[in-house]
Amino acid sequence: GQSLEQPSEVTAVEGAIVQINCTYQTSGFYGLSWYQQHDGGAPTFLSYNALDGLEETGRFSSFLSRSDSYGYLLLQELQMKDSASYFCAVDTSGSARQLTFGSGTQLTVLP
Amino acid sequence: SQTIHQWPATLVQPVGSPLSLECTVEGTSNPNLYWYRQAAGRGLQLLFYSVGIGQISSEVPQNLSASRPQDRQFILSSKKLLLSDSGFYLCAWRTGTVAFFGQGTRLTVV
Repeated sequence: GQSLEQPSEVTAVEGAIVQINCTYQTSGFYGLSWYQQHDGGAPTFLSYNALDGLEETGRFSSFLSRSDSYGYLLLQELQMKDSASYFCAVDTSGSARQLTFGSGTQLTVLP
Repeated sequence: SQTIHQWPATLVQPVGSPLSLECTVEGTSNPNLYWYRQAAGRGLQLLFYSVGIGQISSEVPQNLSASRPQDRQFILSSKKLLLSDSGFYLCAWRTGTVAFFGQGTRLTVV
């Protein structure tokens, strides 16, 4: 089976930088995804890392180390609207490509 | 463009009643479809996935079942709901490395 660990809560102030870590254990690993979910809403895709290294998309960056089974999401220049839950998810093989999600990190951005 | 529709948005059902949640996808053919459940303040638990009509795989033994009667239709059902079936149910389809989610159904079993 798959298991993922990420912090349950993170708090930061507007304009700051925050890093949300994710460690995983899985077989048939293809890549690591990050999703954002605002209260009551549907998760939305942020990033996907298949290879080691850093991927940058605007204020958000995502990192993967396959050898360490570790990744992180880096959010820069935090804004109030970034307050949400952030989920890492492992993409694994099977009869269908599956996404298995972590339990999520609640990010609170303070003014 | 592709869109995913899920209904109803909210549902309150008594224990022991049946359930049917429907999800349809537009703008794509033969999608991989998924049902997830999210308990309050928790992560997403994969319940079922389907790679084609009539092909259903279950990830977690439970009181629920799924069916795919048409290529772009995915239905989640239960014959008798339990209190523990309460949660936020999300349908998703996947293209490449990205999953797109419906707006979800918040189910409360009373």
